[in-house]
Amino acid sequence: DGGITQSPKYLFRKEGQNVTLSCEQNLNHDAMYWYRQDPGQGLRLIYYSQIVNDFQKGDIAEGYSVSREKKESFPLTVTSAQKNPTAFYLCASSGYGTPQHFGDGTRLSIL
Amino acid sequence: AQSVTQLGSHVSVSEGALVLLRCNYSSSVPPYLFWYVQYPNQGLQLLLKYTSAATLVKGINGFEAEFKKSETSFHLTKPSAHMSDAAEYFCAVSEAGNTGKLIFGQGTTLQVKP
Repeated sequence: DGGITQSPKYLFRKEGQNVTLSCEQNLNHDAMYWYRQDPGQGLRLIYYSQIVNDFQKGDIAEGYSVSREKKESFPLTVTSAQKNPTAFYLCASSGYGTPQHFGDGTRLSIL
Repeated sequence: AQSVTQLGSHVSVSEGALVLLRCNYSSSVPPYLFWYVQYPNQGLQLLLKYTSAATLVKGINGFEAEFKKSETSFHLTKPSAHMSDAAEYFCAVSEAGNTGKLIFGQGTTLQVKP
């Protein structure tokens, strides 16, 4: 079955450490997205990519970085510059004319 | 700029009662509108979408929504709530012709009482 796989499901970060969240899709979608979800704040867009080797900042890109070297993959790195990284992170993808399809998320916590 | 406002962060209904979750949007161009549902510790699942065809849209699990341009609304309804409907619901908007980048509302948590 086609879908989006996010890993790991739970992740812990130490102070000053960078961590990378994985997002892989086999839906053949061109566009991919990363959102951060905090209680009561809905989903906020971090980065998005509409095509391989290209990506744009969303509303809250500071402290995050991404790459899009392959169509199927869009990893998100939470850098040490992100001072409040504890959140639920959701990855999504979409094709032409199709709504966004979401993965099951990664919950990041600080040790 | 586009925006979405969901009225009521928490809605509580009895099992079998009508479910009404409110969503108002702002868009300078014809919008595409979506409702998603999220169960605890899971991703979002598409319930239904409006893409400028019929104004009354039927979705999964018995939900439907009506696009009202004059009221800039896209409220979600279900005639009879089931315990399994308890979840968080998100309304989202995108520019017409582009179902990619979405703007989400703050979400509404639906509680269903037995």
